[in-house]
Amino acid sequence: DGGITQSPKYLFRKEGQNVTLSCEQNLNHDAMYWYRQDPGQGLRLIYYSQIVNDFQKGDIAEGYSVSREKKESFPLTVTSAQKNPTAFYLCASEGEVREKLFFGSGTQLSVL
Amino acid sequence: EDKVVQSPLSLVVHEGDTVTLNCSYEVTNFRSLLWYKQEKKAPTFLFMLTSSGIEKKSGRLSSILDKKELFSILNITATQTGDSAVYLCAPRGSNYKLTFGKGTLLTVNP
Repeated sequence: DGGITQSPKYLFRKEGQNVTLSCEQNLNHDAMYWYRQDPGQGLRLIYYSQIVNDFQKGDIAEGYSVSREKKESFPLTVTSAQKNPTAFYLCASEGEVREKLFFGSGTQLSVL
Repeated sequence: EDKVVQSPLSLVVHEGDTVTLNCSYEVTNFRSLLWYKQEKKAPTFLFMLTSSGIEKKSGRLSSILDKKELFSILNITATQTGDSAVYLCAPRGSNYKLTFGKGTLLTVNP
């Protein structure tokens, strides 16, 4: 089945630690996105990539980093510079037609 | 800066009621507007709207866009408990960027 896989579902971060959230898609989509969702809030864009080896900052990129070395993969690293990382993180992808985003099932990140 | 305002933020109804969810927006170089339903984790796609005045329908759900007044509405008729979810509106503007609203939390009681 084609889709987007995020892992892990739950992740705990210690103070000062970097953690990486995985996002893999087999939909052959060029564009991939990372969103953050806080309780009672909409989705806020962290980073996006429209093609391999290229990515742009979204609205809340500080404290995060990404890479796009392969079309299928768009991992997100939450660095120690992100002081309030507890949130639900959603990865999404989109094809050339730009009709709709396909979402993964998300990763809940909490701070220990 | 692109802006999206959804109203109401939350709504509680009884099964069988009809609801109207609102989405007003200001985006640069508007291209389209998307509606999503989020029950637990991943949002699921409902509609994409690009033209004013043309209603899109899927079963008991329908949506329409007004590009002059910069808003969209999502209607759900004969609501069921399975309609309980957060409904997200997202207009698409420059660079194909989507800006999501905070969502409307709909609770349908039996």
